[in-house]
Amino acid sequence: AQSVTQLDSQVPVFEEAPVELRCNYSSSVSVYLFWYVQYPNQGLQLLLKYLSGSTLVKGINGFEAEFNKSQTSFHLRKPSVHISDTAEYFCAVSPTGFQKLVFGTGTRLLVSP
Amino acid sequence: EAGVVQSPRYKIIEKKQPVAFWCNPISGHNTLYWYRQNLGQGPELLIRYENEEAVDDSQLPKDRFSAERLKGVDSTLKIQPAELGDSAVYLCASSLDDGANSPLHFGNGTRLTVT
Repeated sequence: AQSVTQLDSQVPVFEEAPVELRCNYSSSVSVYLFWYVQYPNQGLQLLLKYLSGSTLVKGINGFEAEFNKSQTSFHLRKPSVHISDTAEYFCAVSPTGFQKLVFGTGTRLLVSP
Repeated sequence: EAGVVQSPRYKIIEKKQPVAFWCNPISGHNTLYWYRQNLGQGPELLIRYENEEAVDDSQLPKDRFSAERLKGVDSTLKIQPAELGDSAVYLCASSLDDGANSPLHFGNGTRLTVT
């Protein structure tokens, strides 16, 4: 079975500052890793995913994440955030070969002017 | 392309009443998922369909929950009878297939409140 830990339930940050949202996972098998974003009253939208290859993955809206197998982490970063980045961010893991997502509890990113 | 459409957006019912949610996936998407998202939590998979076949319903509480995907297109999730603990957002998602290269497209969800 897989599990995901997002230690930070909420991350406040000022506009144009850098941000890192932390994600750690646990699995006994190889996994794929994902980050999803959920804006208020909307469904989830895929930000980026790691399947294989380069451990640095770039996604939409200027976000990127780095897969670290030894630390079982997949932290999400953005060098300069905007007000519009305010949302809930979910890290998810899936066993390789097919998609069965297990989500973390989410991190609420609050960007203020 | 049109996204995943869910209805209703909101539903308030009294406990012990039945309720149904409807989902129309993106055209051509063979895989359909129902997730439940409790307040302050991430979504949890309830059931996954490949076309009209439920291939993973291990986390569906079968004593009160049922789902169907007739003709392998739209889907309905039903709860009968509803309990207070069923209050949550029910999300439908679809993808071309169940491979990791097929991203999930989520609908806006149905927020259920059981009083």
